[in-house]
Amino acid sequence: DAKTTQPPSMDCAEGRAANLPCNHSTISGNEYVYWYRQIHSQGPQYIIHGLKNNETNEMASLIITEDRKSSTLILPHATLRDTAVYYCIVSGRPDTGRRALTFGSGTRLQVQP
Amino acid sequence: GAGVSQSPSNKVTEKGKDVELRCDPISGHTALYWYRQSLGQGLEFLIYFQGNSAPDKSGLPSDRFSAERTGGSVSTLTIQRTQQEDSAVYLCASSLGASGLYEQYFGPGTRLTVT
Repeated sequence: DAKTTQPPSMDCAEGRAANLPCNHSTISGNEYVYWYRQIHSQGPQYIIHGLKNNETNEMASLIITEDRKSSTLILPHATLRDTAVYYCIVSGRPDTGRRALTFGSGTRLQVQP
Repeated sequence: GAGVSQSPSNKVTEKGKDVELRCDPISGHTALYWYRQSLGQGLEFLIYFQGNSAPDKSGLPSDRFSAERTGGSVSTLTIQRTQQEDSAVYLCASSLGASGLYEQYFGPGTRLTVT
């Protein structure tokens, strides 16, 4: 699986958009970008995933650059409950072999009141 | 519907004892994963089940660790002769299996403390 690089921490004001960057310059053509988050003392929670098109769901938007070497997770209106560690993960299709996710260090997002 | 459940939520054991950790996946999810997370660290993959078979055991740290899954549902992770370095939160996840892309749903974890 391709390695990802994320800033260790970020702050965001409540009600503002949180933009979390991720670099994955070694991503290969069949690898997807997944985002999970982990709120303190809980198991990780799936947020969103994408291949090359931008994606949006009820939780967030995922913007992937045209060369696919980086992506940004956008939480449009951050709330205090969004304070968590956010993990950007690059992984191949589940039916092509190892299906475990490789979690890095993530970005600790602190939403400030 | 019900999510992934794990039991016990906390387990304190003495060094050298065996422990069993249980995971109940979401009904209908054929894939099941075990991870562990040491204090302040990221998640470390242990083992993956598809149905009752384990095609990927590459993350098990030693032969003291084993896992089984029966009936394509409940899974048990067993740690024999526990050591202090085994202290961690053990997380279980499940997902819809077969081909395709499916997110993993995680349980709340079992916090294991070896004294």
